[in-house]
Amino acid sequence: QSALTQPPSASGSPGQSVTISCNGTSSDIGNYNFVSWYQQHPGKVPKLMIYEVIKRPAGVPLRFSGSRSGKTASLTVSGLQAEDEADYYCSSYAGNNNIIFGGGTKLTVL
Amino acid sequence: EVQLVESGGGSVQPGKSLRLSCAVSGFTFDDYAMHWVRQAPGKGLEWVSGISWNSFSIGYVDSVKGRFTISRDNAKNFLYLQMSSLKIEDTALYFCAKDTGPGPRAFEIWGQGTMVTVSS
Repeated sequence: QSALTQPPSASGSPGQSVTISCNGTSSDIGNYNFVSWYQQHPGKVPKLMIYEVIKRPAGVPLRFSGSRSGKTASLTVSGLQAEDEADYYCSSYAGNNNIIFGGGTKLTVL
Repeated sequence: EVQLVESGGGSVQPGKSLRLSCAVSGFTFDDYAMHWVRQAPGKGLEWVSGISWNSFSIGYVDSVKGRFTISRDNAKNFLYLQMSSLKIEDTALYFCAKDTGPGPRAFEIWGQGTMVTVSS
């Protein structure tokens, strides 16, 4: 049950695009379509932004998108806005009824 | 409106027990898997345990296996986490979370959390 690997920080200017990576293994991201992304503002409850690699829940802006290549999943935020500044976490099903998270990425809007 | 309301947190000494509860409303409880996710102060998210819609499939993070037990009462719309032999490193905000489906997939809706502090 090793954690997924995310960069501790990412940044971009308003209007730019930023991509956050999430590195896993063939036992999690590389083997299951249950990769998801969460946004958490300070002191707030996490919010589901992407699930099943690419799907967006109702109400999540179109500028949030997910993708996967092999054992690496990515979250791309296009047209950065000030309110996108938050911590972002990836997670993946890892078999045997287990789910693992990444360590989180702090996104700063410059 | 979907609501998840956790309760049962508190401050306890190492080695003691606590039982967390999560009252659920606003959706068909027994159609979905449910989970407990925790967040230590200033740290990231950690999945603790999950249970399928029918309680047949259950999983735990390695660090709580043998100490924590997840269960659900589909008749009463409640999720539980029985925590025993608590350790200082179990100190965290514990969230109840609704899955997107009947098995472990993703955390669609979260409660506000209940704080567990383990300290001597």
